[in-house]
Amino acid sequence: GIQVEQSPPDLILQEGANSTLRCNFSDSVNNLQWFHQNPWGQLINLFYIPSGTKQNGRLSATTVATERYSLLYISSSQTTDSGVYFCAVDRHTNAGKSTFGDGTTLTVKP
Amino acid sequence: DTGVSQNPRHKITKRGQNVTFRCDPISEHNRLYWYRQTLGQGPEFLTYFQNEAQLEKSRLLSDRFSAERPKGSFSTLEIQRTEQGDSAMYLCASSPSGYGYTFGSGTRLTVV
Repeated sequence: GIQVEQSPPDLILQEGANSTLRCNFSDSVNNLQWFHQNPWGQLINLFYIPSGTKQNGRLSATTVATERYSLLYISSSQTTDSGVYFCAVDRHTNAGKSTFGDGTTLTVKP
Repeated sequence: DTGVSQNPRHKITKRGQNVTFRCDPISEHNRLYWYRQTLGQGPEFLTYFQNEAQLEKSRLLSDRFSAERPKGSFSTLEIQRTEQGDSAMYLCASSPSGYGYTFGSGTRLTVV
């Protein structure tokens, strides 16, 4: 099956700093999603981004499907950004069976 | 739209007992997914439905696991003869076809 690698595994930032999280995948995909899992375990969908670039407030994401990677940018980080960020990919045209990476654990210190 | 609802939030059961979890998706979403997550790992795919049809089932889903989505509305996930290795967070998500997931809060299962 498809392999998904996320880096770095852990990241500690001071509030206000910027960061870039990376997701590499081993095969071509038709769908890619980024999620934030907060400290209470709730998974929130940040982006549905099979290709191109999207922005939502302080977050933006870029997927370069031909080179098999995606990047999540967090600017002016806040303590509420803490948690685990997951990338999930699907080889099918419509999101069905998605494969998740092991996540990047982000800690933002005040 | 109240989001994806999962019940119960927590379940503690003795090894060998059967358990059933329920997921109520967002009403206009035709796709429903079940995932399992253990500590320190990303969610693992179990199965998904489009309307009432179960379109794919993971090899992780042994014969002790069964899922249904009668009438394409809510879904249930049953685990028979639970084992300690079944202890995990069971997550449900829904989506319209071709769009991203909305996850519920999950059901945390502990098998003692």
